Amino acid sequence: DVKVTQSSRYLVKRTGEKVFLECVQDMDHENMFWYRQDPGLGLRLIYFSYDVKMKEKGDIPEGYSVSREKKERFSLILESASTNQTSMYLCASAWTGSSPLHFGNGTRLTVT
Amino acid sequence: GENVEQHPSTLSVQEGDSAVIKCTYSDSASNYFPWYKQELGKRPQLIIDIRSNVGEKKDQRIAVTLNKTAKHFSLHITETQPEDSAVYFCAASRDFGNEKLTFGTGTRLTIIP
Repeated sequence: DVKVTQSSRYLVKRTGEKVFLECVQDMDHENMFWYRQDPGLGLRLIYFSYDVKMKEKGDIPEGYSVSREKKERFSLILESASTNQTSMYLCASAWTGSSPLHFGNGTRLTVT
Repeated sequence: GENVEQHPSTLSVQEGDSAVIKCTYSDSASNYFPWYKQELGKRPQLIIDIRSNVGEKKDQRIAVTLNKTAKHFSLHITETQPEDSAVYFCAASRDFGNEKLTFGTGTRLTIIP
C-alpha cells in the first residue's frame, strides 16, 4: 500500500518565521503535489513536481516555494509565514497527473 | 486553466435514500474525472473515477455519470448508510503529460439515521 508521510501533524509558528513542511512517499511516484485545504474552498494546488528538481506552480503559489532534491521527498517552504497561511496542508503523490492521488495525513499549520 | 464547480455544498439525506452530487468543468480537453471521499479527520481517498471514453461507471452502491457535451459529471450514491457521511470532492484533469487535478469545493454529505 502506498504510504505518504508528512513530518508533522500539527505545527504552530510565529509570523515571519521560515517554515518547512516535509513529505515523503515510498512508491517511487514521479509526481508529487502540495495542496492547501480551507473550509468552503476545497483543495487548492500550491505547487507540484513531475520529476526530481522540477517544479510547477499551481493555482496559489504566492508566498510558497518547494524543493524536490530526491524523488521520494517533496518539501513545501513558507519563506516568511503570515497569518493567512494558517491552514491544513496536504501532500500527495501519483504515477501521473491523471492517476489516483495518494494523500498524506495532512499538517495543520497555525501561524500566530 | 480548468475551473470545477461543485453543488450542493451541503446535503442531508435519510438513511437508505439516494444522494447526488453534481460538478461542472470548463476545460473541454479534460478527460479524467475522479471523486474523493474525506471522512472527518482523515485524508481524502479515491472512491471512483471515470475517463471520457465512457459515460457511466458503477462500483456497488456508487456510480458516476459523465456528459462531455454539457461538461458535467455526477456522483450517485444509492441506499445510503451512516458511513457514507463525509466530504466528497470532484476533480478534473487532462489525461496526458504532466497534468494536474483541479478540485471542486466539496460537498458535505450527512446521512440521517
